[in-house]
This record gives sequence, C-alpha cells and structure tokens, in this order.
Amino acid sequence: AQTVTQSQPEMSVQEAETVTLSCTYDTSENNYYLFWYKQPPSRQMILVIRQEAYKQQNATENRFSVNFQKAAKSFSLKISDSQLGDTAMYFCAFRRGAQKLVFGQGTRLTINP
Amino acid sequence: DTEVTQTPKHLVMGMTNKKSLKCEQHMGHRAMYWYKQKAKKPPELMFVYSYEKLSINESVPSRFSPECPNSSLLNLHLHALQPEDSALYLCASSPGGVSTDTQYFGPGTRLTVL
Repeated sequence: AQTVTQSQPEMSVQEAETVTLSCTYDTSENNYYLFWYKQPPSRQMILVIRQEAYKQQNATENRFSVNFQKAAKSFSLKISDSQLGDTAMYFCAFRRGAQKLVFGQGTRLTINP
Repeated sequence: DTEVTQTPKHLVMGMTNKKSLKCEQHMGHRAMYWYKQKAKKPPELMFVYSYEKLSINESVPSRFSPECPNSSLLNLHLHALQPEDSALYLCASSPGGVSTDTQYFGPGTRLTVL
C-alpha cells in the first residue's frame, strides 16, 4: 500500500522568507500523481500544485514550486516570499490510477508578521 | 470555475435526528467524493461516485447513506449518528471518472452530534 509521510508537524517562518515543506512517499509503481493541498483556517482544501511522475520538470505555480526526486521518492514544496495568507495546514497527497487519494498527516505552517 | 458548493456550512443534530448534507458542482465533473475530516487530521475517504454510480464505499457505517441524484448533485443522508461522528465533512469532484484527475474540494460542512 502507498504511504505518504510529512515529517514536519509544524513550521513557523517570518513573512517574506522562503520555506520548504517535506514529503516522502512509498510506492512500487512508476506512474502516479502527487499533489500539495492547502487548508487555511477557513477549512476549504485548495489545490496548490500537482506533479505527474512521468514528467522530469518540477511543477511551479507562481510563488510555489516543488522539488520532485523520483528515485528518492521525495516531493517537497517550496514557498517563496511567504505571505500571511499562506498560513494554513498543508497536505501532501499521492494518487495512482483509479485508486484513492492518499494523504500525509499534514504540516501546520504559520507565517509571522 | 472550479467551485464545489456545500450546504449547510454548520449542522448540529441529536442522535435520533435525520438530516442530509448537500454538495453541488456545475463543472461537468463525473466523479464525486465524500470525505470525513477530524481536527488536525487528513481527510478520510468515505464514498466515491463515478458517472452517478457508487464505485467505492470505504466500509462506512450504514448510518451514513450517500445518494447521487444526478451528475451535479451529491447528498449524504445521516441517521442515528453518534457523537464520534462529529467532524468536518468535505465533498470533492474530479473531471473524469475515478482516475488520476485532480480533485477539487468544497468548503465543507461542520457537523456536531449531541
């Protein structure tokens, strides 16, 4: 079974700093998808970024980028120029084919003014 | 437009009540999902509908009864719940059937069972 591990339960940085959230996963499959979701205190889960395992190029979305290391089964999220609105719970998730989305336990990120 | 709506936002019910949660999307998505999320935990999958047919039931107790009347609407009927069922209930949808498509989540319904 696939598992997703987020080793940092909580992180805190100052506004405008860069922060990296870690995620590792375990799978024997070759083709799969990885996601980072953000859940602010308002509760809604928002897709931050998505990576297809067959693509070597790391995905980027504005201030958000990933470092995808397929051999190491690592999928970290980098947030540049962090903003107060980035304060949220961040979940890393894995999905292969029609199988269900597997979430990590989450990292609570606080951006301090 | 990637909007999934859920009503109500909050629900308080007694253990003998019957209530329903509603989820709606108008993005033409063909897969819809119900998740349960406890505080500070990741969402747990409950049910998946693909092309209006129940395709996954994660061994959820029968006091939770899903319904998909059409491709845009998903309901979760609640009956004889227990206090431990109090949680945030999230609905999601994805474009194709159950596939590698990205899931888009609604804002959730905060359920409290007294």
